[in-house]
Amino acid sequence: GAVVSQHPSRVICKSGTSVKIECRSLDFQATTMFWYRQFPKQSLMLMATSNEGSKATYEQGVEKDKFLINHASLTLSTLTVTSAHPEDSSFYICSAGGRDNQPQHFGDGTRLSIL
Amino acid sequence: GENVEQHPSTLSVQEGDSAVIKCTYSDSASNYFPWYKQELGKGPQLIIDIRSNVGEKKDQRIAVTLNKTAKHFSLHITETQPEDSAVYFCAASIRYGGATNKLIFGTGTLLAVQP
Repeated sequence: GAVVSQHPSRVICKSGTSVKIECRSLDFQATTMFWYRQFPKQSLMLMATSNEGSKATYEQGVEKDKFLINHASLTLSTLTVTSAHPEDSSFYICSAGGRDNQPQHFGDGTRLSIL
Repeated sequence: GENVEQHPSTLSVQEGDSAVIKCTYSDSASNYFPWYKQELGKGPQLIIDIRSNVGEKKDQRIAVTLNKTAKHFSLHITETQPEDSAVYFCAASIRYGGATNKLIFGTGTLLAVQP
């Protein structure tokens, strides 16, 4: 099946730091990637849709200046959590695909812990 | 907007028994319904999906049924094995922004298969 690679798998950093998470589709070109956030024992909540070569579409309540998304190529999207605070600690997961109702394939997530 | 409900939240079965997880959705325009398995600390893995022009789909021990009229879809796992233990999420796809579809996830079911 399709492979989506996410890096890093875990980040621990101090409050105020900006953290960048990469999402790569390894065996297909992804014009669309998605970024989700998941709290412990909860479901996945869509944060934004990343479109190659254009601005991301953010879900209601997600601060676009806080969560910067860049999708500069067909195989790479990045999420930057700017000036992270403890309340930003969470499990962030990306996926690729979904265009024309094709399956979405997920990366293995990034555990972000802000001290 | 679309709302997906999932039941039960936890399910414990004996090895070899069957497991059934049920979901309902609210938006009659939804036309794609994937199921994901998520193991601890990992991203969701697509295990089976069904489109609205099909009523049932089977892949070895896993099957999914869809009732469009009632807006119900279910996951059936037969001959369960301990390695089936995980959290299972259903999802419904809604279209927005041209050809892009986004997934609305259910709340998840923690399946425990007792040896």
